[in-house]
Amino acid sequence: EPEVTQTPSHQVTQMGQEVILRCVPISNHLYFYWYRQILGQKVEFLVSFYNNEISEKSEIFDDQFSVERPDGSNFTLKIRSTKLEDSAMYFCASSVSGTSGSVRDTQYFGPGTRLTVL
Amino acid sequence: AQSVTQLDSHVSVSEGTPVLLRCNYSSSYSPSLFWYVQHPNKGLQLLLKYTSAATLVKGINGFEAEFKKSETSFHLTKPSAHMSDAAEYFCVVNTGTASKLTFGTGTRLQVTL
Repeated sequence: EPEVTQTPSHQVTQMGQEVILRCVPISNHLYFYWYRQILGQKVEFLVSFYNNEISEKSEIFDDQFSVERPDGSNFTLKIRSTKLEDSAMYFCASSVSGTSGSVRDTQYFGPGTRLTVL
Repeated sequence: AQSVTQLDSHVSVSEGTPVLLRCNYSSSYSPSLFWYVQHPNKGLQLLLKYTSAATLVKGINGFEAEFKKSETSFHLTKPSAHMSDAAEYFCVVNTGTASKLTFGTGTRLQVTL
């Protein structure tokens, strides 16, 4: 069964450094997402991406963050200058459709990348 | 605006007894509702989904949920708990054309012998 994959599983970085988190969505999916979960808190939406542009982003997704689909398979989240509060589990997800109510809007999640900022 | 409220942060049941995890939602539009499960140190796995086709939705591992519009609820149930069901469960809503999912705060299910 196809699944979303993410690399690395765990990333440790120094405050102020840039990190790139990588995701390979399910191959026939068109919509891609990033979420994060700070330890002990709920999962929060960061950004959605369709047709090579951001379709929606949350207030968390400030200028420090960017997303890119550099080729036909990868979807990346870049944090330019990491802060201690960026430490979290980052989940990538993908779906066929982005329209709620469609059977194709189910978002499938990857296993996550745990980012630790020291 | 959309939101979900999971009424219990922690539920403890004995193995073999029924499970009930409660969720209420708020939505301006007809919602899609989901339950996801997160086992320790694992990612998010879809348990089941409601998309208006049927109010009683069956998912994996014997779980099911019933959509009740009059009560704005989408409670998750299982007739008989298994030790492997111990995990964090998230009720999630998606409405309108906004593609983002809104998660509840989660319910930690503990299963004891």
